[in-house]
Amino acid sequence: DAGVTQSPTHLIKTRGQQVTLRCSPISGHKSVSWYQQVLGQGPQFIFQYYEKEERGRGNFPDRFSARQFPNYSSELNVNALLLGDSALYLCASSLAGTSGNTIYFGEGSWLTVV
Amino acid sequence: GIQVEQSPPDLILQEGANSTLRCNFSDSVNNLQWFHQNPWGQLINLFYIPSGTKQNGRLSATTVATERYSLLYISSSQTTDSGVYFCAGDSGGYNKLIFGAGTRLAVHP
Repeated sequence: DAGVTQSPTHLIKTRGQQVTLRCSPISGHKSVSWYQQVLGQGPQFIFQYYEKEERGRGNFPDRFSARQFPNYSSELNVNALLLGDSALYLCASSLAGTSGNTIYFGEGSWLTVV
Repeated sequence: GIQVEQSPPDLILQEGANSTLRCNFSDSVNNLQWFHQNPWGQLINLFYIPSGTKQNGRLSATTVATERYSLLYISSSQTTDSGVYFCAGDSGGYNKLIFGAGTRLAVHP
């Protein structure tokens, strides 16, 4: 079975542009979460979705938004990109949206803002 | 929110050596997990270990939930063990993982 898949793997954007990152969870998993990892730090939680509903939001500005589709895939959108948005964006999936589940990460999308 | 402290921050080993990585939490956590991040950035789940001890090959982990810490043991280290090890847990029950800063491990042949 395929693991968590993310696209694109690498991308370069200009300040002020918008970006959309995509994630497909492991088959059968209904929960998708997004994390931002800046170089040299641990990942930081951005959003969690379960059954197409937002279940949690981290301390990120409104420029960050996400959604989950009926097939449980998800998109993360970032508007008005800033240089500080340059990071590895990680998608994670789990069976359910509550504690008690092993969490699996995709390979990430490397975003560079110039 | 909870704070996660990992130690040591950096570790250099010769191949074949053993090591212990520690993770302390400022408050009770659910969902405690250990991850290995390879040089290409992928986070690999090593253990889901809210309490007790688990072993997987050369790796084992122990969590003492009442004392709010977890340990990851690596035995007979190999160069492929190099990378960053993270522990993470959540306190709200919704898979909102809070990560430590990681332990950067370099294993030399």
